[in-house]
Amino acid sequence: NAGVTQTPKFQVLKTGQSMTLQCAQDMNHEYMSWYRQDPGMGLRLIHYSVGAGITDQGEVPNGYNVSRSTTEDFPLRLLSAAPSQTSVYFCASSASPGQGGGEQYFGPGTRLTVT
Amino acid sequence: AQSVSQHNHHVILSEAASLELGCNYSYGGTVNLFWYVQYPGQHLQLLLKYFSGDPLVKGIKGFEAEFIKSKFSFNLRKPSVQWSDTAEYFCAVNAVRGGATNKLIFGTGTLLAVQP
Repeated sequence: NAGVTQTPKFQVLKTGQSMTLQCAQDMNHEYMSWYRQDPGMGLRLIHYSVGAGITDQGEVPNGYNVSRSTTEDFPLRLLSAAPSQTSVYFCASSASPGQGGGEQYFGPGTRLTVT
Repeated sequence: AQSVSQHNHHVILSEAASLELGCNYSYGGTVNLFWYVQYPGQHLQLLLKYFSGDPLVKGIKGFEAEFIKSKFSFNLRKPSVQWSDTAEYFCAVNAVRGGATNKLIFGTGTLLAVQP
């Protein structure tokens, strides 16, 4: 199993550009989430999905869109990049919380810089 | 709303010293509790988790944590740290209720530096 994969690893955007961060998992997990990691702030939940076709907002959803058309993929779209979105983005997946407490498996991250 | 507090932001220890990192959460119901570790340049990995049973949980690499429900705490411990334990440590909580959504709330992290 590849686990959770993310592309790209690094990205530089200009203010106002849009882009999509890709996330895929091959563990047949129902739950997938996007977090951003900023120094001194830990990880904050952007959006999450409890299954194909179902998504919801996390703590910091503004400026981001998600969709979940398949179980495997959960892309994160930045509609109009802003310097405040400079961060490291992690995708995670997990099985149902009823199955062992819902341990989340993290991808390797995407380091995004917006100039 | 749930929240997680990690009171130690930066800890420096010498090798062989004992470690205890504090974690407190605010939620009155049933919770699942996690400690994740992030080694320099790497992604998060699970150290240990608690979801039921014995409140003393043992994880990988000699780490353990104790869930004290009355104190809303889940402190991480290791009797003797090594230089390779240098990393950032995150406590996380998931509130368990009907239709739990697996929304993990993370603390702000504790950066541990172990000096050889």
